[in-house]
Amino acid sequence: AQSVTQLGSHVSVSEGALVLLRCNYSSSVPPYLFWYVQYPNQGLQLLLKYTTGATLVKGINGFEAEFKKSETSFHLTKPSAHMSDAAEYFCAVSDLAGNQFYFGTGTSLTVIP
Amino acid sequence: NAGVTQTPKFQVLKTGQSMTLQCAQDMNHEYMSWYRQDPGMGLRLIHYSVGAGITDQGEVPNGYNVSRSTTEDFPLRLLSAAPSQTSVYFCASSFNRLMNTEAFFGQGTRLTVV
Repeated sequence: AQSVTQLGSHVSVSEGALVLLRCNYSSSVPPYLFWYVQYPNQGLQLLLKYTTGATLVKGINGFEAEFKKSETSFHLTKPSAHMSDAAEYFCAVSDLAGNQFYFGTGTSLTVIP
Repeated sequence: NAGVTQTPKFQVLKTGQSMTLQCAQDMNHEYMSWYRQDPGMGLRLIHYSVGAGITDQGEVPNGYNVSRSTTEDFPLRLLSAAPSQTSVYFCASSFNRLMNTEAFFGQGTRLTVV
């Protein structure tokens, strides 16, 4: 089974600062990779995904992530944080054979004005 | 577009009661699934379905049943509620079983078992 590790359950950044949320996965075969965002009392919404092709993936709201096979990582970044970015962020991978998504434990992002 | 609709949004049950959480999608998605979300544990897969008439267990299936009689609906049944089932439940659907497409999530059902 896959596993997903998100380093840092809580991250605080100042408004305008760089956002970096870390995600590492365990797999010998590159899986499909996703980042989801969850706003309070809502379901999860897709930010971006990597399936094949270019390893730098751009998503909604100015977020991007880079797939690094050698590091088994898929870190999420945004150059300049906005107050509206405060939310819970989940990294997920899908098992090519297992019909499942595997989610990390989530990172709560706080943006300080 | 309605997307994925879950009902109810909130529910309080007494220990031992049974209930069904409803999930419906109008996107003709092949794949549907149920997750529970608990603090510090992320989302854990309960059951999933790759098409009408086909269901399978996920990571935490005990105490839950599912069925998929139509493409649109995927209800989750709690047979005899326990306090350990207090959680937020999310239904999700995806276009196909290849898992290379995004999952669309419902708004969640917040369940409390007392």
